[in-house]
Amino acid sequence: EVQLVESGGGLVQPGGSLRLSCAASGFTFSSYEMNWVRQAPGKGLEWVSYISSSGSTIYYADSVKGRFTISRDNAKNSLYLQMNSLRAEDTAVYYCARVYYDSSGTGSFDPWGQGTLVTVSS
Amino acid sequence: QSVLTQPPSVSGAPGQRVTISCTGSSSNIGAGYDVHWYQQLPGTAPKLLIYGNSNRPSGVPDRFSGSKSGTSASLAITGLQAEDEADYYCQSYDSSLSGNAVFGGGTQLTVL
Repeated sequence: EVQLVESGGGLVQPGGSLRLSCAASGFTFSSYEMNWVRQAPGKGLEWVSYISSSGSTIYYADSVKGRFTISRDNAKNSLYLQMNSLRAEDTAVYYCARVYYDSSGTGSFDPWGQGTLVTVSS
Repeated sequence: QSVLTQPPSVSGAPGQRVTISCTGSSSNIGAGYDVHWYQQLPGTAPKLLIYGNSNRPSGVPDRFSGSKSGTSASLAITGLQAEDEADYYCQSYDSSLSGNAVFGGGTQLTVL
């Protein structure tokens, strides 16, 4: 079964740091592009960051650029998100999601992990 | 303000048909990027519902269908059931944002 399991969320003070992890199983992790997507309480989905299968290509949303760092360890089947200089507005459930390409071209997100809650508050 | 615009809410009675629109622009849907739809049941993670504008993953009932035209896309749900009550999100990519993924603001479906 294809599965993604996030961990590492919690309560952190403004200006603090946190590292999220996403453990992948049931598929060849090193062959797939990955993303982080977040959802603030009661709000919609916001794309956060993308990493290619090799880790050589990385993108960030403007809202997190310069503060967050995405990385992966293909040997450990794991995806990471290092979050620094956290702000109250970063409070959200963070999901990791695999990119699925069908024959037509652009990628959808499938599957998603269950999410991990990050709360930034003093 | 989301790049893709969806109605905040829609509703329908059991058995009825509802549609959810997703309006973009010439830099995303109109640029030829595919639209994907996700269903998020209360308290759960999003789940892929429609990919590549109109394709259903295995296990998704054929009551769900998607279409795309110009700078917009639509999700249709026929034979509405109580279990369809959820939030629905469209997703595409945007060339003005370095080709990165963009989501609609989400639509809450209420089954009356």
